[in-house]
Amino acid sequence: GNSVTQMEGPVTLSEEAFLTINCTYTATGYPSLFWYVQYPGEGLQLLLKATKADDKGSNKGFEATYRKETTSFHLEKGSVQVSDSAVYFCALAGGTSYGKLTFGQGTILTVHP
Amino acid sequence: EAGVVQSPRYKIIEKKQPVAFWCNPISGHNTLYWYLQNLGQGPELLIRYENEEAVDDSQLPKDRFSAERLKGVDSTLKIQPAELGDSAVYLCASSSRFGDPYEQYFGPGTRLTVT
Repeated sequence: GNSVTQMEGPVTLSEEAFLTINCTYTATGYPSLFWYVQYPGEGLQLLLKATKADDKGSNKGFEATYRKETTSFHLEKGSVQVSDSAVYFCALAGGTSYGKLTFGQGTILTVHP
Repeated sequence: EAGVVQSPRYKIIEKKQPVAFWCNPISGHNTLYWYLQNLGQGPELLIRYENEEAVDDSQLPKDRFSAERLKGVDSTLKIQPAELGDSAVYLCASSSRFGDPYEQYFGPGTRLTVT
């Protein structure tokens, strides 16, 4: 079945540092890949997505590239801000489970001034 | 535009008691999801509704969990009786038939503690 594995957290960075959160997946067929973010006290919200191999999703300075050869979708940002502190979830969808998102365990990011 | 509304935000009950969670999706969203999120884990789908029809309830533990969406708008998820292992956050999400079904809008969740 489908599964998503994220890097162990939490991740603590200083403001303006470079961020990478690793995500790898196992899926049949050609899934779509997503990053969702959950800010403190709020619901999860879609950050970015990619629907086919080599696509790059981007939003709010975050980027992730769909790498089929390495089954990865790593999240990156060149310069993080304190306001980026949140929990980040990698997810996939597709195959026979239409409408169903499969999430990774989440990575807590804390950015210090 | 109002987001997904869930209530209550927090609930503490004793084991073997019943509990119910309510969700009101974004206006016009025909698809509604209930997810379970255990501590330190990502959300896991319990049930998905298209309008009032439950189209995927394969992950719902039907011996104690039930859900309904009678008029295709708001929904209720019930647990009876609750067990200690049910302590978790219950998330509701919705999506529009006119958009990407995987662009789901989540509510803030209900944190359940069973003692």
